[in-house]
Amino acid sequence: ETGVTQSPTHLIKTRGQQVTLRCSSQSGHNTVSWYQQALGQGPQFIFQYYREEENGRGNFPPRFSGLQFPNYSSELNVNALELDDSALYLCASSRLWDRRNTEAFFGQGTRLTVV
Amino acid sequence: GESVGLHLPTLSVQEGDNSIINCAYSNSASDYFIWYKQESGKGPQFIIDIRSNMDKRQGQRVTVLLNKTVKHLSLQIAATQPGDSAVYFCAENGEGGSEKLVFGKGMKLTVNP
Repeated sequence: ETGVTQSPTHLIKTRGQQVTLRCSSQSGHNTVSWYQQALGQGPQFIFQYYREEENGRGNFPPRFSGLQFPNYSSELNVNALELDDSALYLCASSRLWDRRNTEAFFGQGTRLTVV
Repeated sequence: GESVGLHLPTLSVQEGDNSIINCAYSNSASDYFIWYKQESGKGPQFIIDIRSNMDKRQGQRVTVLLNKTVKHLSLQIAATQPGDSAVYFCAENGEGGSEKLVFGKGMKLTVNP
């Protein structure tokens, strides 16, 4: 088991609603990344936060936004939910050192279903 | 564009056999690679990583080989056990300082008792 925890584990939302997912990083890690994993696919990078600022973003629209807090925990917010947003959302914790990421450990994920 | 892919979508082996999972990457500037194992309903579990200044790295029952000449990565699992059954992903962390992991589509390993 990693020290990365995500909440909630499952969530059902209606199209057009907003959702907030949460992640607590592993002790000693200063970087949090979020990924979206559709069924049968590999995870897709959404964005990464380091020192409370966005440190890189994948090909996701602005309605996907995030925050990182002083204790390195993080939130992923998605506005105006669409059916295609249904997926497993994964948080990965790592340590950025000398501009290099060390091994990234994932949480169990939040299964989001948009109906 | 850059991509990381797996040669085989499924692999079935007998318990006790050795397993080899292969992966090709296209970004020659990539300098860090990770193998993950993902069981149904769970997040990816870190198995082993390797940096581009190495060509082999060993862990407990696992070995990762990196061939930069042909941009190929493999994961060898010794004495495969039923608990090894899962989907395996290789991931590339791009060139130094890259913030994201690029994952392939995954390969399902089934271990038959």
